[in-house]
Amino acid sequence: DAGITQSPRHKVTETGTPVTLRCHQTENHRYMYWYRQDPGHGLRLIHYSYGVKDTDKGEVSDGYSVSRSKTEDFLLTLESATSSQTSVYFCAISVVAGESDTQYFGPGTRLTVL
Amino acid sequence: GNSVTQMEGPVTLSEEAFLTINCTYTATGYPSLFWYVQYPGEGLQLLLKATKADDKGSNKGFEATYRKETTSFHLEKGSVQVSDSAVYFCALHGGGGGNKLTFGTGTQLKVEL
Repeated sequence: DAGITQSPRHKVTETGTPVTLRCHQTENHRYMYWYRQDPGHGLRLIHYSYGVKDTDKGEVSDGYSVSRSKTEDFLLTLESATSSQTSVYFCAISVVAGESDTQYFGPGTRLTVL
Repeated sequence: GNSVTQMEGPVTLSEEAFLTINCTYTATGYPSLFWYVQYPGEGLQLLLKATKADDKGSNKGFEATYRKETTSFHLEKGSVQVSDSAVYFCALHGGGGGNKLTFGTGTQLKVEL
């Protein structure tokens, strides 16, 4: 357990509405990530952060924005949700030990866009 | 760029059968390799990892050996249990791919009595 929580755990929303998902960690890890999981695709990186106010895009960033105003929280925002953003969203943190960098995942948020 | 290829599922086995889930990768340099497991309705849990060639990762009876010559990291278990039923993901980190994990598409395992 890497001390990662996500909220909400489930959300149903309508097309065109804004949605914000929250990831919270308790251990001050520098790197945080947002992935989405879809059948046939595994997990794909949306955005990641390497420090407060330092973020970068992943491979599927269109339609998403992120913010990190403090170390422990990493927010993912869908400015105007679309049905293609129906997915399970996972937050992750990196734990670096020597030359090893291992990511640990939160419990996920299931988002349905109607 | 980096990529991971896993065998298609679902894989259905009887309890106590031998398990192999194939994973091959494409990457530059020397990536670290991982297996994650996802039980129904849950998030991903790290199962095992290997950070350099010929390393063997092991946990809960599962093993995988980092084979650079065949760019493979196959997951094995000698005797599966019903409780091993889950989706298994192979992933790599580094190797020219930056900080992100590159995942395979996952292999669903069903173990029956």
